[in-house]
Amino acid sequence: GQQVMQIPQYQHVQEGEDFTTYCNSSTTLSNIQWYKQRPGGHPVFLIQLVKSGEVKKQKRLTFQFGEAKKNSSLHITATQTTDVGTYFCAREYGNKLVFGAGTILRVKS
Amino acid sequence: DTEVTQTPKHLVMGMTNKKSLKCEQHMGHRAMYWYKQKAKKPPELMFVYSYEKLSINESVPSRFSPECPNSSLLNLHLHALQPEDSALYLCASSQPVAGGQFFGPGTRLTVL
Repeated sequence: GQQVMQIPQYQHVQEGEDFTTYCNSSTTLSNIQWYKQRPGGHPVFLIQLVKSGEVKKQKRLTFQFGEAKKNSSLHITATQTTDVGTYFCAREYGNKLVFGAGTILRVKS
Repeated sequence: DTEVTQTPKHLVMGMTNKKSLKCEQHMGHRAMYWYKQKAKKPPELMFVYSYEKLSINESVPSRFSPECPNSSLLNLHLHALQPEDSALYLCASSQPVAGGQFFGPGTRLTVL
């Protein structure tokens, strides 16, 4: 019902390669949020997407919200070692935030 | 101030102890949250306070007791915890009609 499915679970990339994580819902989302958690750290809010088909960029990060508002993706261009961590999508309803399982990104230098 | 602070950073307690976790924010946010996070898992919502009133309790056992003394402070009182309650406890804040939550660094709790 309220869950969001996130894939892949893990991704190991060579530094300089691209990375993408996907978030899918069986129901229409009012919005989707993305967070990054470094190893040993806490979740840090990256962005919120609200509009159907929305695309937002933050430097090397590109966030997309699907036309049907049932899926979202985060793409990192030319990964760097500073990108390591777990990337979570999260759906919000009411005051509740429900996180996807997260994608762990490891970058080999 | 764009920070959420939490104390203590680490806590080790026995199953008969009573302890409290503290959270503070000065961003003027009127919603505050407690989450529990186990290793390699996403944060799980425990409680939500909106305008200093408890608005959501995600069926959390009564050995966890939240308190919101004012709009900047959030406490989590712990009593008679179990070893399986060992986890990272995260506090977060946001505006009630959100746009993203700001998390504190967390308290890493170990129950012996």
